[in-house]
Amino acid sequence: GAVVSQHPSWVICKSGTSVKIECRSLDFQATTMFWYRQFPKQSLMLMATSNEGSKATYEQGVEKDKFLINHASLTLSTLTVTSAHPEDSSFYICSASLVGQLAKNIQYFGAGTRLSVL
Amino acid sequence: GENVEQHPSTLSVQEGDSAVIKCTYSDSASNYFPWYKQELGKRPQLIIDIRSNVGEKKDQRIAVTLNKTAKHFSLHITETQPEDSAVYFCAASDNNNDMRFGAGTRLTVKP
Repeated sequence: GAVVSQHPSWVICKSGTSVKIECRSLDFQATTMFWYRQFPKQSLMLMATSNEGSKATYEQGVEKDKFLINHASLTLSTLTVTSAHPEDSSFYICSASLVGQLAKNIQYFGAGTRLSVL
Repeated sequence: GENVEQHPSTLSVQEGDSAVIKCTYSDSASNYFPWYKQELGKRPQLIIDIRSNVGEKKDQRIAVTLNKTAKHFSLHITETQPEDSAVYFCAASDNNNDMRFGAGTRLTVKP
């Protein structure tokens, strides 16, 4: 099956620093990747949709200058949380759609990154 | 945009009993309805999905039904086992791949 790798799985950082999270599709090409945020005991909230080679589309209320997304290749998308603050602490999960499968909507999820900002 | 509502938020059943989780959606353009199982601190795992051209789909102990007219779909788990305990999310998306999730149902199966 399709495998999506996400790193790091857990990161602790000081307030004011930036953190980069990587999302890789290991055995397939992903034209579209998605970034979600999940607070404890809550649902997944879509933050942005990332298309290879173009700017990400952010959901309403998500600051694009705060959450920088880069999708430089068909197998890699990165999310950088800039100048992180304690309220940014959350579980961030990426997902990817296969090339040719986009119209079928199937998304494969990474393992998630737990970010704790002190 | 799409709005997905999911009920109940918590569900406790005895091992061997059935569990049913229901979701409603608002956007008639939605045509893909996956169900995910998420264990604590782990990634959501797709357990079953259904498309709008189908009314019911079954995979062993898991089944999903879809009523397009009423805009609701349900997950049915029969002969529940303790390892079925997890949080289950329904979702709905359209051809733009804009997927919206329900709030989740925490299922507990008591041995």
